[in-house]
Amino acid sequence: SQQGEEDPQALSIQEGENATMNCSYKTSINNLQWYRQNSGRGLVHLILIRSNEREKHSGRLRVTLDTSKKSSSLLITASRAADTASYFCAALRRIGNEKLTFGTGTRLTIIP
Amino acid sequence: EPEVTQTPSHQVTQMGQEVILRCVPISNHLYFYWYRQILGQKVEFLVSFYNNEISEKSEIFDDQFSVERPDGSNFTLKIRSTKLEDSAMYFCASQGEETQYFGPGTRLLVL
Repeated sequence: SQQGEEDPQALSIQEGENATMNCSYKTSINNLQWYRQNSGRGLVHLILIRSNEREKHSGRLRVTLDTSKKSSSLLITASRAADTASYFCAALRRIGNEKLTFGTGTRLTIIP
Repeated sequence: EPEVTQTPSHQVTQMGQEVILRCVPISNHLYFYWYRQILGQKVEFLVSFYNNEISEKSEIFDDQFSVERPDGSNFTLKIRSTKLEDSAMYFCASQGEETQYFGPGTRLLVL
């Protein structure tokens, strides 16, 4: 699989439930970032977790990082219809002038 | 809050024509990027730019592509002779310390 593979590819849940998305990567990283993309729109930065961090919270978002397994998860609690979007993880290998390597994304649908 | 802006939002062009996509990065950022996303696919890195020169480019970024920072604010991507397969959403990004902030994208359609 390629660096930055998310699973599941698609997820549908009822409003109010929690949504968990996973991401795997292959190489060592400096940090991992999660982005949201509404259909056909731009990428909105959600949260960044550094390689020396294991868990991070921001509002209803919780991100974990397991560098031994080269994986990360994004949890959205108490989902809302407005959370419907595609979610991508993106790995940054080093700080500075370095490209982000994006995963294939999870398409999340929140059912009202 | 500062943001990255891109123009135009949509561009339709004929195959073989030149297009220039424009971006205004966040003003105090030093690193700039172009990515593209073909419909339904993942976001792919094209090129990174620092200190007025390309620092890394992908295999996609061939001789038909060029980037420029003509003044202190704009950052442009030029495709010299567009192909059908260049149809995609093109995103500009700029980076401060750790986070890359993306513009809203330019949707390019090559006919």
